[in-house]
Amino acid sequence: GNSVTQMEGPVTLSEEAFLTINCTYTATGYPSPFWYVQYPGEGLQLLLKATKADDKGSNKGFEATYRKETTSFHLEKGSVQVSDSAVYFCALNTGNQFYFGTGTSLTVIP
Amino acid sequence: GAVVSQHPSWVICKSGTSVKIECRSLDFQATTMFWYRQFPKQSLMLMATSNEGSKATYEQGVEKDKFLINHASLTLSTLTVTSAHPEDSSFYICSARKVETQYFGPGTRLLVL
Repeated sequence: GNSVTQMEGPVTLSEEAFLTINCTYTATGYPSPFWYVQYPGEGLQLLLKATKADDKGSNKGFEATYRKETTSFHLEKGSVQVSDSAVYFCALNTGNQFYFGTGTSLTVIP
Repeated sequence: GAVVSQHPSWVICKSGTSVKIECRSLDFQATTMFWYRQFPKQSLMLMATSNEGSKATYEQGVEKDKFLINHASLTLSTLTVTSAHPEDSSFYICSARKVETQYFGPGTRLLVL
């Protein structure tokens, strides 16, 4: 079946550190991967997405490249800020349904 | 843009009462909307898929008579929690589908006393 697996948290980093949150998936067909971010007490916001293999999504300094050969869509940021503290969800659109990872909590300390 | 709103943002009610939550797509039409439930520090649990003009599709284990969904227009879906009990207390999030992307509302926090 279809599923999304993402790195478990929580993750705690110092400001300006490098961030990687791993996300891999299993799916049939031609799925599209997404990253969503949830700030405390809020709904999910679309962070970035990719539509085809080798696409790189980017937004607010975050990047993720859709690697079909490794079925991955790892999230990266070169220098995190305190304001990046949130929960990050990897998601997959298979055309019929969205599948979400369990979420990774990130805390950035000054 | 693609903005989705929810109302109310939070609600406290007595056990046994019914609560209606509205989900609106403000700047686009959405034939499909989704309702999720999220427990503290957990991922989203899809409750149902709401299709405009037809009955909602409920996920396994979700009581359709308990969680009534109405998608009467292309910009509005409502979730009514009927005869709410304390175990229904949760964070309810809706989303609307635009092309191949889901856009989420800000969520509604429900507390049943």
